Amino acid sequence: GQQLNQSPQSMFIQEGEDVSMNCTSSSIFNTWLWYKQDPGEGPVLLIALYKAGELTSNGRLTAQFGITRKDSFLNISASIPSDVGIYFCAGQSWLSNTGKLIFGQGTTLQVKP
Amino acid sequence: DGGITQSPKYLFRKEGQNVTLSCEQNLNHDAMYWYRQDPGQGLRLIYYSQIVNDFQKGDIAEGYSVSREKKESFPLTVTSAQKNPTAFYLCASSSTGNEQFFGPGTRLTVL
Repeated sequence: GQQLNQSPQSMFIQEGEDVSMNCTSSSIFNTWLWYKQDPGEGPVLLIALYKAGELTSNGRLTAQFGITRKDSFLNISASIPSDVGIYFCAGQSWLSNTGKLIFGQGTTLQVKP
Repeated sequence: DGGITQSPKYLFRKEGQNVTLSCEQNLNHDAMYWYRQDPGQGLRLIYYSQIVNDFQKGDIAEGYSVSREKKESFPLTVTSAQKNPTAFYLCASSSTGNEQFFGPGTRLTVL
């Protein structure tokens, strides 16, 4: 099945640093979602985006729905140790009427105290 | 509390045996999904159901079966035909068809 191109694959940063990750698609999406997964747990929804250009924040997290509708970005400011985990982007194609999501392969974030 | 539950958390199976993973939700969501996650990979869709008594194959349905007899429940059976069943299995549900909410997962190991 189709997958999104998510980058970077992994990041190892110092506590307090800002983090950026992104996802790109070859087709237009009408929904972008960002999830965080802790080890051995299910993904938790962080931010949902529905309009091109939309910029949404959730605490220290900010995500944007790209103008071209083919990409999305997630930024984490002032990282802390509990930000450690795998971050997934997911999107829904504008052609879809089934609710099916396409997932990126994830960005593994490690934070050094 | 509303949410999605999956049981058991860990499951061990001998080769050649079928095994059923449970997924229950009390969120009154119409749609439910099953995903498989392998180390270092994203989520791959196995089966999904948008309404009771109806379900569709996802990208990797071979060796799996599902039923949707009740709105709250969407059990997944991993059959002996599944060649490499050891993985982390995630169930999700959705009301809008966009935002999906996940259960805690079941880790299946074939011995």
